[in-house]
Amino acid sequence: QQQVKQSPQSLIVQKGGISIINCAYENTAFDYFPWYQQFPGKGPALLIAIRPDVSEKKEGRFTISFNKSAKQFSLHIMDSQPGDSATYFCAASRAGGYNKLIFGAGTRLAVHP
Amino acid sequence: GAVVSQHPSWVICKSGTSVKIECRSLDFQATTMFWYRQFPKQSLMLMATSNEGSKATYEQGVEKDKFLINHASLTLSTLTVTSAHPEDSSFYICSARDGGTPTPYGYTFGSGTRLTVV
Repeated sequence: QQQVKQSPQSLIVQKGGISIINCAYENTAFDYFPWYQQFPGKGPALLIAIRPDVSEKKEGRFTISFNKSAKQFSLHIMDSQPGDSATYFCAASRAGGYNKLIFGAGTRLAVHP
Repeated sequence: GAVVSQHPSWVICKSGTSVKIECRSLDFQATTMFWYRQFPKQSLMLMATSNEGSKATYEQGVEKDKFLINHASLTLSTLTVTSAHPEDSSFYICSARDGGTPTPYGYTFGSGTRLTVV
């Protein structure tokens, strides 16, 4: 119940295309769903996050779509650029306790020029 | 924005020695800090959670005597890898939660420490 399943494991997109990464969770107590971007040798950086009371959140080229009934959420990167090439992690957390983040397995995105 | 400074960024040590990694919140008070371990091409694995002034809570399977965590102040947490062995070689990352930000938000990650035990 604590798992967050992420797919695909790797993704290749042409410059200007749309990158889509999907995540699914089981624990309905989760109420915070962030996406992190990680470059090699660096710590993860928060990209965008959503709460379950909204179905979509957009920040620049990055959009989170959230489907509460299906317990799924996804990251869409519009107009993908070579600089977006990185590993992306979805995560989930719930209120109470120590609020630890549960991470997905990660998606390695390569954007080809 | 919130900044977490982690040092050193990389360290090489001899097998059997101990290594200390520091994690500092620079512009906020970190009531809770998390320590993660990440192997190449894998996800972040939570090792332990520490609250300022209290003992750390370790995840199942993490040796508390090997990975000593001290969270002595609201801005500093340290991870000491004791009697390091080559299998402890990994990328260690800390994360701090801003006590002034509503739960469960406000996670900020450090830049990570690459530990190589030879």
